[in-house]
Amino acid sequence: DAGITQSPRHKVTETGTPVTLRCHQTENHRYMYWYRQDPGHGLRLIHYSYGVKDTDKGEVSDGYSVSRSKTEDFLLTLESATSSQTSVYFCAISVSGNTIYFGEGSWLTVV
Amino acid sequence: GDSVTQMEGPVTLSEEAFLTINCTYTATGYPSLFWYVQYPGEGLQLLLKATKADDKGSNKGFEATYRKETTSFHLEKGSVQVSDSAVYFCALSGSNFGNEKLTFGTGTRLTIIP
Repeated sequence: DAGITQSPRHKVTETGTPVTLRCHQTENHRYMYWYRQDPGHGLRLIHYSYGVKDTDKGEVSDGYSVSRSKTEDFLLTLESATSSQTSVYFCAISVSGNTIYFGEGSWLTVV
Repeated sequence: GDSVTQMEGPVTLSEEAFLTINCTYTATGYPSLFWYVQYPGEGLQLLLKATKADDKGSNKGFEATYRKETTSFHLEKGSVQVSDSAVYFCALSGSNFGNEKLTFGTGTRLTIIP
């Protein structure tokens, strides 16, 4: 357990509505990541953060934004959810020793 | 760019059988290599890792050796159990120290039957 909490764990939302997923860590790790998991694709990086207010895009960033106003929290926002964003979202942190640990996931369904 | 190719699934084995899940990679520099396991309804758990050529990662009876000459990191276990049923992901992280963005394979679903 790397002290990562994701919320909400499950959400159903309507197309066009905004959605925010939260990732909270209990330790002061610098690097945090958001991935999405889809069948046939494995996990793909959406955005990552290397410090407060420091973020960058990953492989599949279109339609997503992120914010990190505190070291412990990394927020992922879907400004206007689409059905293609139905997925499982995983937050992760990088811990010393070149190892990444994952949260338990947030299941998002866009109807 | 970096990429990981792993064995297509699903894989079904009998209990106590020998397991191999193949993984090959393409990367610049000297990546670190990982195997993650995902049990139904759960997040990914780090199973093992290797950070340089010829390193062997091991955990819970699973092993994988970092082979730079064949760009491979195959996962093996000598005798599988029903509890090993899960999805296994091979992954690599680039050589940018401190920012270990992972590139994943597509995953291999393993089912062990009693």
